[in-house]
Amino acid sequence: EAQVTQNPRYLITVTGKKLTVTCSQNMNHEYMSWYRQDPGLGLRQIYYSMNVEVTDKGDVPEGYKVSRKEKRNFPLILESPSPNQTSLYFCASLKQGAGAHEQYFGPGTRLTVT
Amino acid sequence: DAKTTQPNSMESNEEEPVHLPCNHSTISGTDYIHWYRQLPSQGPEYVIHGLTSNVNNRMASLAIAEDRKSSTLILHRATLRDAAVYYCILRDYAGGTSYGKLTFGQGTILTVHP
Repeated sequence: EAQVTQNPRYLITVTGKKLTVTCSQNMNHEYMSWYRQDPGLGLRQIYYSMNVEVTDKGDVPEGYKVSRKEKRNFPLILESPSPNQTSLYFCASLKQGAGAHEQYFGPGTRLTVT
Repeated sequence: DAKTTQPNSMESNEEEPVHLPCNHSTISGTDYIHWYRQLPSQGPEYVIHGLTSNVNNRMASLAIAEDRKSSTLILHRATLRDAAVYYCILRDYAGGTSYGKLTFGQGTILTVHP
């Protein structure tokens, strides 16, 4: 089954404690991205990756890092989380190419930073 | 990015058709119209897309105005499972850094009554 998986699904942490949210897809997609969803603000793109070793900032990259060492994985790293990063996070993947339209989203990771 | 406008909410009865409108008066020639939906506690899910012609798939139909300044997502027989937030999104296929990025608005909250 084609899917995007994220771990953990729920996480409560304290300010400043480094954390990583993993994202993996099994569709051999080149493009992957991270979004955060906040009430009243909708989904906003944090970072994206066009392929292995190619990453770039989205609309709200401050406080986040990503890496793309393998095609299937795209972890989101919060080196020093702060309360304003409390949010619902979604990873997504997309096949590269003009005919690719269907973007697949993971189930979400709800992060609370106290 | 070209902007879309959708009603905040709509209601329907089960087994009846639902027409979800979207205005995108500033759409460009390279923008595809995408619809995604987000069921409660889940990640967004692709529904359908189109460029100029009307489109049908197993989930829904997409009717696109001749001038492309508006479109309508049609659910032919709403079920309780169709209760979700529906997002109309324009995606630019001209390439560049916006490739793959989905700009989510507030969407339309669809309520389906038994």
